[in-house]
Formats: sequence, C-alpha cells, structure tokens
Amino acid sequence: QVQLQESGPGLVKPSETLSLTCTVSGGSISSYYWSWIRQPPGKGLEWIGYIYYSGSTNYNPSLKSRVTISVDTSKNQFSLKLSSVTAADTAVYYCARSTYYYDSSGYYGYYFDYWGQGTLVTVSS
Amino acid sequence: QSVLTQPPSVSEAPRQRVTISCSGSNSNIGNNAVNWYQQLPGKAPKLLIYYDDLLPSGVSDRFSGSKSGTSASLAISGLQSEDEADYYCAAWDDSLNGWVFGGGTKLTVL
Repeated sequence: QVQLQESGPGLVKPSETLSLTCTVSGGSISSYYWSWIRQPPGKGLEWIGYIYYSGSTNYNPSLKSRVTISVDTSKNQFSLKLSSVTAADTAVYYCARSTYYYDSSGYYGYYFDYWGQGTLVTVSS
Repeated sequence: QSVLTQPPSVSEAPRQRVTISCSGSNSNIGNNAVNWYQQLPGKAPKLLIYYDDLLPSGVSDRFSGSKSGTSASLAISGLQSEDEADYYCAAWDDSLNGWVFGGGTKLTVL
C-alpha cells in the first residue's frame, strides 16, 4: 500500500521560504506525477504544482513565481519550496500522487489516487 | 472564486438520494475527465470517483458520477450519517495548464 508523509516546519515567518518534503513508501516514486495541494483553514483545495519523477515540473500560474518543486528518486522523496510567504499562505499542505486511466477508445484521464495526511503550516512572526 | 462551481452545501435525510453539481467550461470539464474527492472532517481528501464515473476499489456503489457537456454530478444514494463530509470535484484545465477544483460542497445528513 502506497503511503505519503509530509514533513517540515509548522511555523514560518513572513517573507521567508516554506519548505516541505513528501516521503513515499510502499511503492516507487518512478513513473508517476507527484503534486502539492494546499487548503487554507476552512477553505477549498488549491493545486500548487507537480513534478514528474524525471524532474519535469508544472506550476499553478498564480504561484509560479514563488514555487519550486524538486525530486530525489534515491530517497523516494519530493519537495516543495514556496518563497516570500505571507499569512495568505497559511494552509494544510498535502502531497499526492497522480496516475491515469486509459479507456478503450484511447482517451485517458489523470486523477489523484494517494494523498498524504497533510501538514499545517502557519505563517506568522 | 473557484474555476469549477459547486453548491456550498446540500442536505438530505438518511436513506434518501442527493446530487452535487459541478459546473465548468470547455477548457476543463468539457474536454477532460472529472474526478470527485470526499473529505471527512479533519482528514485528507480521498478519491471517490475518477474518469467521470468510475469507482475505485473499495468505494461503495452508493456513489456514482456522471458528466454532460461542461457539467458533472455526484450522486449519493441510501444516505448514511457517515457520508457527512465535504465533496470536491476536480479536472485538468487546458487553458490554465493545471488542475482546478470546485469550491467544495458540505453534505449534511439530517
């Protein structure tokens, strides 16, 4: 059974960089897309970005200037860095795996099949 | 303001059926598969429906999904108290080149 576990500081000061790591166990990080998703307290889900195991990335345009996602296949981990944080970045941060389904017509679609338990990061001085 | 539009809340009595709508556009729901996630209080989201209407292994068949044009729906039949949760739709958006979510719908079982 694949498991994802987020780790990192729960408190970050304004203007500093938020850093989180997601450790994947029970399966290989290879051949999948890995995403970071966040949820401000009492609000909905927001996709931050993804990384493919090979290292290619794609970020939410609204966060792109501040986000870096990297992968370490030797450790079965991927990481998030979000710079210049403000109180608006206070949220529960989830890591998630996406996989795809191919139908008989050759069409396919991706979905998030495994999620970490989430970690609350508070931005405050 | 979420790219995908869901009603903030729905409620229904036990053993009844409820539907949750998700409205989008041609760049997301109209051209890509819709997935649904269930988030129990204090928990991480869990995959409920993928590729519009497919159930992951282990998910009750009381849950079903459908899609028509730029809208999708999640139906839950035989409502139980354990179904009280937030439900989110999601789809890939070709214009934004990223994932978009609905704002979430809180289900209350009366």
